[in-house]
Amino acid sequence: KQEVTQIPAALSVPEGENLVLNCSFTDSAIYNLQWFRQDPGKGLTSLLLIQSSQREQTSGRLNASLDKSSGRSTLYIAASQPGDSATYLCAVRPEGQNFVFGPGTRLSVLP
Amino acid sequence: DAGVTQSPTHLIKTRGQQVTLRCSPISGHKSVSWYQQVLGQGPQFIFQYYEKEERGRGNFPDRFSARQFPNYSSELNVNALLLGDSALYLCASSLEGVPYYEQFFGPGTRLTVL
Repeated sequence: KQEVTQIPAALSVPEGENLVLNCSFTDSAIYNLQWFRQDPGKGLTSLLLIQSSQREQTSGRLNASLDKSSGRSTLYIAASQPGDSATYLCAVRPEGQNFVFGPGTRLSVLP
Repeated sequence: DAGVTQSPTHLIKTRGQQVTLRCSPISGHKSVSWYQQVLGQGPQFIFQYYEKEERGRGNFPDRFSARQFPNYSSELNVNALLLGDSALYLCASSLEGVPYYEQFFGPGTRLTVL
């Protein structure tokens, strides 16, 4: 059974810092991995989708990498801003199954 | 272009009642999935529908059911509500039923069971 964990559970950084969020999954047989952002009480906003054949994806200040063999993905946020404060969720799509989500990392960027 | 829409936004029910939640996918998307998100946790998969057929079901009791209509909109029904059904219910749509496509989520329906 696929399990997804995210470290750290919460993170507080001053504005302008570069930061890394980690996602680990137990079964490397996945179709893809998707990173989402969730503001309190709201739905999920898709940030980046990495197919299993890809190593990384970039969008603006965000860069996500995928190492399928080790069951790990990282989300790198450059030059963090207070508007980046949210919960970040990673989700993997195992073969033959639907998305399995991690518990999320709650990020606070202090002005 | 409109994103995924869900209704209602909030809902309060009492134990034992039944509830119906609605979802309209992004125009052109044929697959709809439903998720339950309990406070402080990641979403858990409930159902996926593609072309009106069930493509996947998560580990939820038979009190949960869903359907998809010819216009690809979907309804999630929950019978005999329990306190533990209180959660944010999220709908996601994707272009096709295969897993390579990105999923886009709606704003969710907040269900409170008293």
